[in-house]
Amino acid sequence: QVQLQESGPGLVKPSETLSLTCNISGDSIDSIDNKYWNWIRQPPGKGLEWIGYISYTRSTKFNPSLKSRVTISGDTSKNQFSLKLRSVTAADTAVYYCARGFSKVDKSYFYMDVWGKGTTVTVSS
Amino acid sequence: QSVLTQPPSVSGTPGQRVTISCSGNSANIGSKTVSWYQQLPGAAPKLLIYTDNQRPSGVPDRFSASKSGTSASLAISGLQSEDESDYYCAAWDDSLNGQVFGGGTKLTVL
Repeated sequence: QVQLQESGPGLVKPSETLSLTCNISGDSIDSIDNKYWNWIRQPPGKGLEWIGYISYTRSTKFNPSLKSRVTISGDTSKNQFSLKLRSVTAADTAVYYCARGFSKVDKSYFYMDVWGKGTTVTVSS
Repeated sequence: QSVLTQPPSVSGTPGQRVTISCSGNSANIGSKTVSWYQQLPGAAPKLLIYTDNQRPSGVPDRFSASKSGTSASLAISGLQSEDESDYYCAAWDDSLNGQVFGGGTKLTVL
C-alpha cells in the first residue's frame, strides 16, 4: 500500500523559504512507470492549486504563476522528494499536499492517485 | 478565477441523481483527459475518476463521468449522505503547460 507523508515547519516568516518533504512508502521515487511526484496546495477556504512535479527521470515542471520561486528535488537514498518555495508571503498560507501522479510524456492523461494527508503552513511574522 | 469552470454548489436528496459540470477549452479538456477528485470535509482529495471515465478500485459504480468536446461531467446516482463533499475536476493544460483544477463544487445532500 503506497503512502505519502508530508513534513516540515508549520510556521514560516514572510520573505523566508518554505521547505517541505514528502516521504514515500510502498513505492520508489526511482520507479519508471510514468510516475510524477507532485505538490499541490489549498489556501484556507479555497480550491486546489497544482504547484509542480518531479518526474521519474528527475525532470521538473512548475505552475507558471509560481515557477520563479519554486524548486522540487528528489532524494533516492531517503525515498522522498522536497519542495522549496522562496520569498513567501501571507498568500502562500495553505495546506500543502504531496501526491503520486501518472502520465504519458505527451500528457494526454495526467492524474494523481495517492495523496498525503497534507500539512498546514502559515506565513506570519 | 480557475481555468476549468465548475458550479460552486449543487444539491440533491437521498436517492437522487446529481451531475456536476466542468467546462474548459481546447488546450485542456478538449485535448486531454479529465480526472475528478472528492474531498471530504477536513480530508485530503481522493481520486474518483481518471482518464475521463475510469473508476479506481474501490470507488462505487454510483459515480460515473463523461466528456464531450470541451466539457465534462460527473454524475452521482443513488445519492447518499456520505457523498456530501467538495468535488474537483482537473486536466492538463497545454497552453499553461501544467495541471489545472476547477474551482470545486460543494455537494449538499438535503
